[in-house]
Amino acid sequence: GDSVTQMEGPVTLSEEAFLTINCTYTATGYPSLFWYVQYPGEGLQLLLKATKADDKGSNKGFEATYRKETTSFHLEKGSVQVSDSAVYFCALSGGRGSTLGRLYFGRGTQLTVWP
Amino acid sequence: NAGVTQTPKFQVLKTGQSMTLQCAQDMNHNSMYWYRQDPGMGLRLIYYSASEGTTDKGEVPNGYNVSRLNKREFSLRLESAAPSQTSVYFCASSATANTEAFFGQGTRLTVV
Repeated sequence: GDSVTQMEGPVTLSEEAFLTINCTYTATGYPSLFWYVQYPGEGLQLLLKATKADDKGSNKGFEATYRKETTSFHLEKGSVQVSDSAVYFCALSGGRGSTLGRLYFGRGTQLTVWP
Repeated sequence: NAGVTQTPKFQVLKTGQSMTLQCAQDMNHNSMYWYRQDPGMGLRLIYYSASEGTTDKGEVPNGYNVSRLNKREFSLRLESAAPSQTSVYFCASSATANTEAFFGQGTRLTVV
């Protein structure tokens, strides 16, 4: 079945550092890929998405490219801010091996950014 | 912009008590979901409803029941709460199956 594996962390960075959170997936067919962010005490919010191979999703300075050849969707940001401190989740849906309607989540990566 | 609204936000139950978590969305979405979030476990799907009138089990359905009351509302019921059901519960909705989901703020449930 479909699944997502992401770097577990926690990740601690200084402000303005470069961020990479790795995410790889297993899926048949052509899934859509997502990054969600969860700020303390809140629900998950969609950060970015990509629906086909070589698509780049971007939002708020974050980027991720859908790489079918390496089955990856790594999240990057060139210069993190304290306000980026949150938990980040990689997710997929829609592969042929997916249960219809289900989002498959990674376990989440806690990011803490220090001033 | 209400989006997905869950009630209550916090709840403490005694073992064996029952309760219903309510969820409503105002985005005219077809699909709705209930997840639980536990430390180190990420999000696990309890039940989902791909469209009005249908419900299906997810990864961890034992001890829960759901009702898709209409297109807007999807409730989660714990018939006899157990300490293992202490968790944060999230409701979500999406326009169709396999598109991005929008989440509520969560319900923090403690069973003592």
